[in-house]
Amino acid sequence: GESVGLHLPTLSVQEGDNSIINCAYSNSASDYFIWYKQESGKGPQFIIDIRSNMDKRQGQRVTVLLNKTVKHLSLQIAATQPGDSAVYFCAAPQAGTALIFGKGTTLSVSS
Amino acid sequence: ETGVTQSPTHLIKTRGQQVTLRCSSQSGHNTVSWYQQALGQGPQFIFQYYREEENGRGNFPPRFSGLQFPNYSSELNVNALELDDSALYLCASSLRDRETEAFFGQGTRLTVV
Repeated sequence: GESVGLHLPTLSVQEGDNSIINCAYSNSASDYFIWYKQESGKGPQFIIDIRSNMDKRQGQRVTVLLNKTVKHLSLQIAATQPGDSAVYFCAAPQAGTALIFGKGTTLSVSS
Repeated sequence: ETGVTQSPTHLIKTRGQQVTLRCSSQSGHNTVSWYQQALGQGPQFIFQYYREEENGRGNFPPRFSGLQFPNYSSELNVNALELDDSALYLCASSLRDRETEAFFGQGTRLTVV
């Protein structure tokens, strides 16, 4: 089955810096990948997704890059703000119903 | 905020007891998925309901069961609670096969003592 994993459990940045959160996956057949943000006491919130036939997708202040050769994706957050402090998960579908989540990277932004 | 609401928000139960958690899905969504999130971990898929029937299940024992009602709201029932069942239980609603557009509720924090 699918497994996804994040490279670093924690990331600390200064306000205004760019943040990069990385994720590796195992199943090359995944049709898409999703990044979620989870703030303390809340459920995961959708940030951005990327289809497997794409290499890059941009949103507001966020960019996701997908490298299928090495089965790696990354989430880049531009001009990181204190409100970006949260746990970030990558997720991929399995068997058409489940989403498989990684363990998460805790992003801490200091001002 | 999403339109997915879960109740209760917090719950303390004793080992061996039974618990029922509830989820109201986003308006128009016909599919509900339940996840268990242990402290410091990512959510783990329990099962999904579509049109009142189980539509997929993760690696959880039969004492985890669910229901979906005609209005698409859902319940998660856990029997014979164990200490390791302590976790945040998340409900996500979506349209069938549109998991990228799933909305999560805020979760129910279950503590088993």
